[in-house]
Amino acid sequence: KAGVTQTPRYLIKTRGQQVTLSCSPISGHRSVSWYQQTPGQGLQFLFEYFSETQRNKGNFPGRFSGRQFSNSRSEMNVSTLELGDSALYLCASSPDSSSYNEQFFGPGTRLTVL
Amino acid sequence: AQSVTQLDSQVPVFEEAPVELRCNYSSSVSVYLFWYVQYPNQGLQLLLKYLSGSTLVKGINGFEAEFNKSQTSFHLRKPSVHISDTAEYFCAVSAYTGRRALTFGSGTRLQVQP
Repeated sequence: KAGVTQTPRYLIKTRGQQVTLSCSPISGHRSVSWYQQTPGQGLQFLFEYFSETQRNKGNFPGRFSGRQFSNSRSEMNVSTLELGDSALYLCASSPDSSSYNEQFFGPGTRLTVL
Repeated sequence: AQSVTQLDSQVPVFEEAPVELRCNYSSSVSVYLFWYVQYPNQGLQLLLKYLSGSTLVKGINGFEAEFNKSQTSFHLRKPSVHISDTAEYFCAVSAYTGRRALTFGSGTRLQVQP
């Protein structure tokens, strides 16, 4: 089975722009979660989608949004980019929304905001 | 709400020596516990998880962890490390119910020296 894939792997944007990141989960997985990883704040939960519905949301401003499609692929969007949005964005998938399930992580998209 | 504390940001160790990476957590509800490893420029990979039952959990690559409920700890151990174990290790918890997201510790960088 192919793992979680994220595109693009690297991205450079300037302040004020917007960006869309894509995540394709493992085949058959219906839950997709997004995390932000920075040296200062570590790994922080952004949101989770299951069956095209946002199930949970972390403590991030409304500039961060996401969606999930009927094939379970997910996108996250960040509008009006700030320097502090520079981070590694990780997507993780699991079969369903149960807490005990392992989450399978993709390699991440490294976003640099200039 | 949950929080996870990894007491050591860096752990240097010589090859073939034993190692222990410490993790303490705090939660108002019951949680599942996980250890993930992150190699450079990669996503996170699950090492092991504790759901219930025996407090000693064995994982991949020779790692094991022991859950101690009274001390709210979940320390990771390996009796003999290899150069290839050099990586960042993250302890994480997920609540039984409610928000399913993983709450991560700040990570411990394991540096195995020859």
